[in-house]
Amino acid sequence: DAKTTQPPSMDCAEGRAANLPCNHSTISGNEYVYWYRQIHSQGPQYIIHGLKNNETNEMASLIITEDRKSSTLILPHATLRDTAVYYCIVQSGAGSYQLTFGKGTKLSVIP
Amino acid sequence: GAVVSQHPSWVICKSGTSVKIECRSLDFQATTMFWYRQFPKQSLMLMATSNEGSKATYEQGVEKDKFLINHASLTLSTLTVTSAHPEDSSFYICSVLGDSTDTQYFGPGTRLTVL
Repeated sequence: DAKTTQPPSMDCAEGRAANLPCNHSTISGNEYVYWYRQIHSQGPQYIIHGLKNNETNEMASLIITEDRKSSTLILPHATLRDTAVYYCIVQSGAGSYQLTFGKGTKLSVIP
Repeated sequence: GAVVSQHPSWVICKSGTSVKIECRSLDFQATTMFWYRQFPKQSLMLMATSNEGSKATYEQGVEKDKFLINHASLTLSTLTVTSAHPEDSSFYICSVLGDSTDTQYFGPGTRLTVL
C-alpha cells in the first residue's frame, strides 16, 4: 500500500472549517483514500473514503486532486468534539482490506 | 456503518495469567475481523486478520501461540492473550469489514494492564 504524509498537528478555531491535508504521491490506480479519526482512548471512527471523485457525507468532505497524489479532508464547521487524531490511509481494496495507520494529524479545535 | 462492541472495556490481570477479549458485530454478520494493538502515544498496529471458520493470519512478529484468535461465528471473534506479561499491556482494538464495502468499522477498544 502507498504511504501517506500528514502534518503532525493543526489547530482550528471552533466554528471554522478544518482542512486537513494528506500527501500520497505513490498511490496506485486501484487504491482508495480512507480517513479515520481517533478520539483519545477510543477506537478509530470511519469518516469518509474515495477513489478519484470528491466525496461528501454528513461528517466531512474529501477533495482528491486530479493526479490523486494528495487529498484534503474538510470538516465544514469544527466543534470541540472534533478534537482528535486524524488518519489518512491508502488501501488497495483489491482483496487486501488491510489498513496501515501512520502517525496522523492531531487536530485541536480551540474555543 | 457497522456497530462493533468489545468486552471488557478494561482489564487488569496478574503476570502469567490469560485474558480473553471479545469483539462482537452487532448489526451484521462479519466474515472478516481484524485485531490491532496500540501502545501509548503510538499508532495502531495490525496484529492479525480473522476469517470466520478458518485460522487467523498473523502479521510478522506477532506470536500466534501467545495471541489466540477464535472467529467461530459471524458475529463474534475473541482474542486471548496467554501468559500475559507487563509488556503486553496495551490498548487492543478490533474491527469488522463492512458487508457491502471494503470499509473497516472499529470497536471501542480494550485497555489491558498486566501487573
